[in-house]
Amino acid sequence: EPEVTQTPSHQVTQMGQEVILRCVPISNHLYFYWYRQILGQKVEFLVSFYNNEISEKSEIFDDQFSVERPDGSNFTLKIRSTKLEDSAMYFCASSGYSLAGGPGEQFFGPGTRLTVL
Amino acid sequence: QQPVQSPQAVILREGEDAVINCSSSKALYSVHWYRQKHGEAPVFLMILLKGGEQKGHEKISASFNEKKQQSSLYLTASQLSYSGTYFCASGVQGAQKLVFGQGTRLTINP
Repeated sequence: EPEVTQTPSHQVTQMGQEVILRCVPISNHLYFYWYRQILGQKVEFLVSFYNNEISEKSEIFDDQFSVERPDGSNFTLKIRSTKLEDSAMYFCASSGYSLAGGPGEQFFGPGTRLTVL
Repeated sequence: QQPVQSPQAVILREGEDAVINCSSSKALYSVHWYRQKHGEAPVFLMILLKGGEQKGHEKISASFNEKKQQSSLYLTASQLSYSGTYFCASGVQGAQKLVFGQGTRLTINP
């Protein structure tokens, strides 16, 4: 069964450093997302990506963050100058279609646990 | 607008039933249900699109009352494998994002 994969599973970085989190969405999916989950809390939307551009972003997704689809399979989240409060689990998700006017089924990858020291 | 789930936590014995509710102050365009086990990714369970819709998946089913702006997840004859945190997420019309509720932690004891 196709699945979303993410690397690395765990990333430890020093405050102020840049990190790149990588995702390989399900191959025939068209919509890609990043969510984050601070330990013990709810899942929060960061950004959605469609047709090689950001389709929507949350207020969390400020200039510190960027996304890219560098080739036909990878989808990356870059966090510049990491802060302590960026420590969280980051999930990539993908979906194959958009329902009329809204999101379709989104499938999540296993996540990257980011620890900022 | 974040959907609100109730209860926050449930403890059951294996074989018992549970209901998890999800409501919103704004109209729900669609409702998505996920289960997350500790340290793992949320796993998609089902999506409900229309008011009055009901869906089932093994012994897990859900309903969507569009007028009441709420959805309920029903777990029947619970199994140990049902333990985890259940999230509802609302789909926003005209957008792709999901807005997640705060989760309901379900513990099934033997």
